[in-house]
Amino acid sequence: GAVVSQHPSRVICKSGTSVKIECRSLDFQATTMFWYRQFPKQSLMLMATSNEGSKATYEQGVEKDKFLINHASLTLSTLTVTSAHPEDSSFYICSVGAPDRAKNIQYFGAGTRLSVL
Amino acid sequence: AQRVTQPEKLLSVFKGAPVELKCNYSYSGSPELFWYVQYSRQRLQLLLRHISRESIKGFTADLNKGETSFHLKKPFAQEEDSAMYYCALRYNQGGKLIFGQGTELSVKP
Repeated sequence: GAVVSQHPSRVICKSGTSVKIECRSLDFQATTMFWYRQFPKQSLMLMATSNEGSKATYEQGVEKDKFLINHASLTLSTLTVTSAHPEDSSFYICSVGAPDRAKNIQYFGAGTRLSVL
Repeated sequence: AQRVTQPEKLLSVFKGAPVELKCNYSYSGSPELFWYVQYSRQRLQLLLRHISRESIKGFTADLNKGETSFHLKKPFAQEEDSAMYYCALRYNQGGKLIFGQGTELSVKP
């Protein structure tokens, strides 16, 4: 199956700093990637859809200036949490849509646990 | 609006007992439904999807459009089935998934 690599797996930062999270599609070229946020023992909330070569589509209530998404190549999307605050502490997960649209399967990264002190 | 509801936050059963994880959705069109599973310290992975009509690891799920449900069932639970289970709905060509709140399944020996 597809392999999605997410880095780093864990990051601890000071309040006010910016953190970049990478999501790589290792098995195929992905024009679309998705970024989710997950709180402990809770559901995944879609934050944005990352589109290669164009602007990301953000879900309602997600600050695009706070969560910068760049999808500069077909295998890499990055999420930058700018000026992080303790309330941004969470588990961030990316996913990649399978190239075969008929399958409509998403493959998920292992996630990044962000802790803002 | 599209919505996925998993009413049980935790489901605890004994090994060998039948298990049913409930999932209801709200969507006026023809949705695609999925079950994803997350084992401890592992990434989320696809368990099964309604259009495949397959049985994975002994689990099955039938889409009931009349009841707008997609319950996940297994006749005999195993300890290794213990995990978080998420029901998800895909409702447009963009591929966006809407997840339910998740149900933690605990299978006791």
